This record gives sequence, C-alpha cells and structure tokens, in this order.
Amino acid sequence: DQQVKQNSPSLSVQEGRISILNCDYTNSMFDYFLWYKKYPAEGPTFLISISSIKDKNEDGRFTVFLNKSAKHLSLHIVPSQPGDSAVYFCAASGGGSNYKLTFGKGTLLTVNP
Amino acid sequence: EPEVTQTPSHQVTQMGQEVILRCVPISNHLYFYWYRQILGQKVEFLVSFYNNEISEKSEIFDDQFSVERPDGSNFTLKIRSTKLEDSAMYFCASSDWGRVADEFFGPGTRLTVL
Repeated sequence: DQQVKQNSPSLSVQEGRISILNCDYTNSMFDYFLWYKKYPAEGPTFLISISSIKDKNEDGRFTVFLNKSAKHLSLHIVPSQPGDSAVYFCAASGGGSNYKLTFGKGTLLTVNP
Repeated sequence: EPEVTQTPSHQVTQMGQEVILRCVPISNHLYFYWYRQILGQKVEFLVSFYNNEISEKSEIFDDQFSVERPDGSNFTLKIRSTKLEDSAMYFCASSDWGRVADEFFGPGTRLTVL
C-alpha cells in the first residue's frame, strides 16, 4: 500500500544545476505535504512543506510545487550544492490524521562538484 | 539548538527477547512519535502519544509494542518479544503543537534481531 511514491531511487546532478525530485500520492485526503532531508546516521530533518490550498512554496534555494489534479509534487533545488547530497523523503499528512506522516521511500540525491 | 536524542544508537538482540528503545524528546514538546524504517523501505509511522496516552497507532503497532513516558523526560518504545522482521531503524520524533511540520526527529536506533 504505497500511498506516497517516489519512483526515482536516485538522482545525480552537477553542482550549480537544478535538482528536481518527484513524488506522487494516491490518497486524495492528504492535505499537507512535506519534504525531509536525511543524512546517514541522522534522523529526517524538515526541509519545506506545502498546504493543499497552494500550488507553490519557496524557501531560498528550495521550491515545492503541488499539482493536486495530478496528485504530484516536486522539490526543486536551485542551484544544487554538494552539501545537498542526501536522501530526500516526500511525506504527506491529512485525511483525518493530524499526527501521522506517510512517507515515500526516498530519493538519494548526489550533487557532483 | 534543541534536539531529540535516542539511545542506544545500535541494539542487537536475540529473537524473542524484549527490547526497550529510549528517546529524550525536546523539553517543551508535548507530542511524541515513533517511526521505523526497515532497510531499503520507507519510513513508517508506528504511534503518536499525547497527554500520557496513545493518540493514534498504525497496524504495525500490535500487542507486542508499547510506549511509555516513565518520567518527565523519557519516551520509550518496548517490543515485548522481538521478531526477525522487527529489525529496522527506529526514529523517535516530538513536536510542540502536534503539527506534522514541527516534528523533530531523533538520529534513530538501529535494532538488529538475530
């Protein structure tokens, strides 16, 4: 039961270019979406979020886009930096649950110098 | 900066044994969570805890699992009789207002069941 899907297990990008990480979801009751970043031996850290009433949220180099009709969201990182290399998790909440996060499997981003 | 801490970082146990994973949430937080990640799979919600009781739990969180806040600072996850498939990273998280975006995660405990 994969309600949140990240179909690309890995992505490799050159420093300075754009990184685009994609996420699809199936549960139309989700109303809040988040991206987490995870380094090895650390827990996930919150990066950026978007409510279902918006289609875009920007925070510095990070922008999240939400396409509700397609049940798709993406995280754009511009410009990408080697320190951005990590696993990125898409997560969603809502549908009657205020507490539970449903995560995707993650995408390993490698930014090459 | 305040952080969630977890001990031990790695726990190895024999199948059938009881384990207790410990977490110290951020001090003024009121909501507490456990998640787990089996190697190569997604992070999965286990349970949320507020006001000394479970507020929500997943189907994974069966009778073998229990949570407790034994004092004002610790939040524990107990697995009564471990199974091989319990091997995973277990993440504790806490938040102040219960908003998911405010969940701060600990570094995790790697549980290996032999």
